[in-house]
Amino acid sequence: GQQLNQSPQSMFIQEGEDVSMNCTSSSIFNTWLWYKQEPGEGPVLLIALYKAGELTSNGRLTAQFGITRKDSFLNISASIPSDVGIYFCAGPLANSGYALNFGKGTSLLVTP
Amino acid sequence: SAVISQKPSRDICQRGTSLTIQCQVDSQVTMMFWYRQQPGQSLTLIATANQGSEATYESGFVIDKFPISRPNLTFSTLTVSNMSPEDSSIYLCSVGQGVNTEAFFGQGTRLTVV
Repeated sequence: GQQLNQSPQSMFIQEGEDVSMNCTSSSIFNTWLWYKQEPGEGPVLLIALYKAGELTSNGRLTAQFGITRKDSFLNISASIPSDVGIYFCAGPLANSGYALNFGKGTSLLVTP
Repeated sequence: SAVISQKPSRDICQRGTSLTIQCQVDSQVTMMFWYRQQPGQSLTLIATANQGSEATYESGFVIDKFPISRPNLTFSTLTVSNMSPEDSSIYLCSVGQGVNTEAFFGQGTRLTVV
């Protein structure tokens, strides 16, 4: 199957620090998506990656699609308390278009 | 992106009963999906809700337990039938739009079965 391995499982950092998390797959993906989920909410799309090697930014967030199309990382610079949440990587399920396979998530806690 | 509304946002139900969750989108969308997120876990696809035909279920999920309706391009329902405490989860509606594989989610329905 298309397993997505996400690490680290959790991070506990101080405000102002930079954060890096990554996702690897046993299969090639044509798209990598990064979502953030806050308590009581559904996942919100942060960044979408479509091309191998692509580097995309969204404010303080930067994500890259690996050359092999089997990995991706998400960086958050100068973290703030509102960055708290669970960050998921996701890729399309084989032959399912918009249906997604999710990683297990990275839980981020930021202390002021 | 589309605005996706789910009802109810949360419920506490007795075992053996059924709950129907509604998902309303503010625009017509091609693809609608239902996911389950068990406590502390990631999201798992239950099924694709097909307009005008039976839903397509993923391995481990069956129509008798999770009947789905999709009467039009803006609305779908998921029923969790004959509930047990193991069904306690967040159930999420998702839609796909545009030419890229970007999916958007409702706020979820937090179900507790007692």
